[in-house]
Amino acid sequence: QVQLVQSGTEVEKPGASVTVSCKASGYTVSDYFMHWVRQAPGQSLEWMGWINPKSGATHFAQKFQARVSMTGDTSINTAYMELSSLRSDDTAVYYCARDGGSGSLDFWGQGTLVIVSS
Amino acid sequence: DVVMTQTPLSSPVTLGQPASISCKSSQSLVHSDGNTFLNWLHQRPGQPPRLLIYEVSNRFSGVPDRFSGSGAGTDFTLKISRVEAEDVGVYFCMQAAQFPWTFGQGTKVEIK
Repeated sequence: QVQLVQSGTEVEKPGASVTVSCKASGYTVSDYFMHWVRQAPGQSLEWMGWINPKSGATHFAQKFQARVSMTGDTSINTAYMELSSLRSDDTAVYYCARDGGSGSLDFWGQGTLVIVSS
Repeated sequence: DVVMTQTPLSSPVTLGQPASISCKSSQSLVHSDGNTFLNWLHQRPGQPPRLLIYEVSNRFSGVPDRFSGSGAGTDFTLKISRVEAEDVGVYFCMQAAQFPWTFGQGTKVEIK
């Protein structure tokens, strides 16, 4: 069965960078695009971008374009999202989600809480 | 960006009774390929979202048939025919017709 397992909680200071990993099982990560979505406390969901793990091609929301990178390591079936120049309003749960086709996000990771605090 | 507006934001329902959530988009969600990319997601407290409905009306694998989606263009609806206890949580509509993909504010469904 498809599973996405993310890395654990991160606590960072303002201005630092954070990397979240997302290990896929039950399918080959290079066969599907991977998206990243975040959710600030008590808020709705915010789409950040996608990566094609096979080619490395990416597309980011303009809001994050200057600060985000997404990569994939197909040898270990894992995708990564790095967010730099962290601010307090980056405090959120970050999710990876598989692109299921037809504009859908069919499987989601359990989420990684990133806390940005001095 | 496409703005997604859900109503109501809160919906107290009686077990076994129906529930309905509306989602309106600021632009048409008909993609250039002719498909309409509107999804519904459900999030229980402390859990990640899970896909319920894609392309307006297609139930994802394993989703009970008490869930149904309808609509076209800019107006969409999610209906639960008979609410069960496991249906509590927040429901989000999401558009994937244009980048950036965007979500509604969420509708909280709780049992009366």
